[in-house]
Amino acid sequence: NAGVMQNPRHLVRRRGQEARLRCSPMKGHSHVYWYRQLPEEGLKFMVYLQKENIIDESGMPKERFSAEFPKEGPSILRIQQVVRGDSAAYFCASSEKGRETQYFGPGTRLLVL
Amino acid sequence: GESVGLHLPTLSVQEGDNSIINCAYSNSASDYFIWYKQESGKGPQFIIDIRSNMDKRQGQRVTVLLNKTVKHLSLQIAATQPGDSAVYFCAENGAGDYKLSFGAGTTVTVRA
Repeated sequence: NAGVMQNPRHLVRRRGQEARLRCSPMKGHSHVYWYRQLPEEGLKFMVYLQKENIIDESGMPKERFSAEFPKEGPSILRIQQVVRGDSAAYFCASSEKGRETQYFGPGTRLLVL
Repeated sequence: GESVGLHLPTLSVQEGDNSIINCAYSNSASDYFIWYKQESGKGPQFIIDIRSNMDKRQGQRVTVLLNKTVKHLSLQIAATQPGDSAVYFCAENGAGDYKLSFGAGTTVTVRA
């Protein structure tokens, strides 16, 4: 049973470009969570999605960030017009049901030049 | 504000000894707690979890203790091995909440 998959593992963008991060949950999991981790810090919650629905986006910046989890395909975290402060590791987690154990992917490390 | 935090940022332990990592939380409504291990360049790896209706839970070489009275959580690792070197995070779910709140992490270094 494959774990949570994320791609790309590393992403370099210049300021003003767009970043698209993809997450495929574990098989059988329909709940997806995105977290951001700055260097030397813990993970910070961004958004929680179920198929085709955003359940909780209280941790998402109000501008430039969006997330989706379509009926088919991976969940996407999209960052428009990236700035240097967006440089971080972005982790996706999935669970079978809400409030169950969350299993994390390997992360996407975004570097904004 | 309410937060999850760890008492010590670093822990150095001799190979073969037992390790104890502590975590304090302030949200009295938290009812689910998880310990994760994160190795350099990797995602958090689930170690063990515990719900608030329990005081203790054991896994393979690991034990989690929950003291709700003082809002304290600990992870005990028996016979620590070099492969246990990593950053350890405690995380918690508030009652009715879906998101995990993470502490800053404790870096465990195992000495040979």
